[in-house]
Amino acid sequence: EAQVTQNPRYLITVTGKKLTVTCSQNMNHEYMSWYRQDPGLGLRQIYYSMNVEVTDKGDVPEGYKVSRKEKRNFPLILESPSPNQTSLYFCASSPSTSGTDTQYFGPGTRLTVL
Amino acid sequence: QKEVEQDPGPLSVPEGAIVSLNCTYSNSAFQYFMWYRQYSRKGPELLMYTYSSGNKEDGRFTAQVDKSSKYISLFIRDSQPSDSATYLCAMSANRDDKIIFGKGTRLHILP
Repeated sequence: EAQVTQNPRYLITVTGKKLTVTCSQNMNHEYMSWYRQDPGLGLRQIYYSMNVEVTDKGDVPEGYKVSRKEKRNFPLILESPSPNQTSLYFCASSPSTSGTDTQYFGPGTRLTVL
Repeated sequence: QKEVEQDPGPLSVPEGAIVSLNCTYSNSAFQYFMWYRQYSRKGPELLMYTYSSGNKEDGRFTAQVDKSSKYISLFIRDSQPSDSATYLCAMSANRDDKIIFGKGTRLHILP
């Protein structure tokens, strides 16, 4: 089944403890992106990647790192999580090299930082 | 002023009505305009995509872009209870640029 998978789906952690949220797609898509969604603030883009080894900052990149070493995977790294990073995180991918085309979203990861 | 403004609603309309959802924006460089639909506890899905100004129709959905007014709209005809969801507008200046989303409008279609 063609899909975008995220792991873990739910995570509760403490301030300062490094964590990684994985994202994988099996559709050979070029473009991948991370978003966070918060009540009253909507969906905001964190980072995106148009191709392997190419990443760019989105609207809210502070406090996050990403890497795109292979086409199918795009992990989101929080080196030192803080409570203001508590959010619902979505990974998405697109068959083109642009986020303006159809993006397919994963199921979301709900992160709580205490 | 935020780059993209969208009334969060909720907007409640009776089944069969025409729904109008809108976004305004401040960045005149935006050229690519998207509408996403998001059901509760799901990720967003792309509904409509428009480049520059003009109208685009797909079934019961029509997207309009007025760049002179920095205003975009999504119309839903013959609304159905299954259209109840949050609708997010999104914009970008170029194909390789970041995507800016509105906050989303919650829509309820009453049977």
